[in-house]
Amino acid sequence: QKEVEQNSGPLSVPEGAIASLNCTYSDRVSQSFFWYRQYSGKSPELIMSIYSNGDKEDGRFTAQLNKASQYVSLLIRDSQPSDSATYLCAVNFWNYGGSQGNLIFGKGTKLSVKP
Amino acid sequence: GAGVSQSPRYKVTKRGQDVALRCDPISGHVSLYWYRQALGQGPEFLTYFNYEAQQDKSGLPNDRFSAERPEGSISTLTIQRTEQRDSAMYRCASSPPSTNNQFFGPGTRLTVL
Repeated sequence: QKEVEQNSGPLSVPEGAIASLNCTYSDRVSQSFFWYRQYSGKSPELIMSIYSNGDKEDGRFTAQLNKASQYVSLLIRDSQPSDSATYLCAVNFWNYGGSQGNLIFGKGTKLSVKP
Repeated sequence: GAGVSQSPRYKVTKRGQDVALRCDPISGHVSLYWYRQALGQGPEFLTYFNYEAQQDKSGLPNDRFSAERPEGSISTLTIQRTEQRDSAMYRCASSPPSTNNQFFGPGTRLTVL
């Protein structure tokens, strides 16, 4: 099992709908969770971080974390064509030495929002 | 403010040559990370620094890869005796103190012929 898994998609939603992107991660002690958006040919852009169980909202984006189920999701409300991109889930796992450092990324889910 | 910058943006080299990729982090960011990203994949960790100290180099594929950050600011990733399999997008990211929110630069596209 890969450490961070995402459905590669493509996920297609109509404009104005809610897009739901999901990510599962392996059974390791984890500290923090991130969602990045990556447009084709561009670098990843941080859109959300979440550290504790529950929901975190920022504008049209809501991140949801459930550590018991090893599951993190991103909801995009009122989806727009400009949201069409690949969404990368990343997890910072605890290192034995206690160092906080690298992120483990999933392969990303490609989202297409149709006008 | 200025984001993470990387140079060169594109590098084409012949097999067996050495290359040096440069990263200039966001001002005030103490942690700097190197990743490699293949097409259709997420970034894959290579190494990271806190200030000038290399904290973790477990992601470097082999001893042809090395990185330094001598003054705790600009970092250089060096690949010696390049091979075709080294061709990829190399990405640098930095994060401010006390968070792990990592911000990526534009990347260097390395092509080894």
